[in-house]
Amino acid sequence: GDSVTQMEGPVTLSEEAFLTINCTYTATGYPSLFWYVQYPGEGLQLLLKATKADDKGSNKGFEATYRKETTSFHLEKGSVQVSDSAVYFCALYGGGADGLTFGKGTHLIIQP
Amino acid sequence: EAGVAQSPRYKIIEKRQSVAFWCNPISGHATLYWYQQILGQGPKLLIQFQNNGVVDDSQLPKDRFSAERLKGVDSTLKIQPAKLEDSAVYLCASSLDRAIDEQYFGPGTRLTVT
Repeated sequence: GDSVTQMEGPVTLSEEAFLTINCTYTATGYPSLFWYVQYPGEGLQLLLKATKADDKGSNKGFEATYRKETTSFHLEKGSVQVSDSAVYFCALYGGGADGLTFGKGTHLIIQP
Repeated sequence: EAGVAQSPRYKIIEKRQSVAFWCNPISGHATLYWYQQILGQGPKLLIQFQNNGVVDDSQLPKDRFSAERLKGVDSTLKIQPAKLEDSAVYLCASSLDRAIDEQYFGPGTRLTVT
């Protein structure tokens, strides 16, 4: 079945540091790929997505590129802020009647 | 536009008791999902509705969990009887249509079974 693997957390960075959160996937066919963010006490929010190979999703300074050859969708941001502290989930949607398949989440902590 | 609403936000029950969660999706969204998120893990799909019909409930523990979406709008998820391992956050999400894969999530209900 489909699966998503993302790097373990917590990831602790200083403000203005460069961020990479790795995500790889296993799926049949050509899934759509997502990054969701969950701020403390809130529900999951869609951060960005990409629906086909080589697409780049971007939002709020974050970006991720759909790499079919490496089955990866790594999340990056050039300069993180304290307000980026949250849990980030990589997910895929295979197009079938089975909703989203999520990774375990990566807790990001940004220190001032 | 209003987001996905869920209630209650928190619930504490003893094992073997029953509990129900309510979800109101975004107006006009045909598809509704219930996910279970155990601490330290990503959400796992329990059941998916298209309007008032069940599309997929393969991961729903049907001996104790049930869900319905009467009239194709609001939905309730019930657990009876609850077990300790049911402690989790229960997330409701909705999307416009099965073919449109962007899902909008509610704030979740945190269930603690003691």
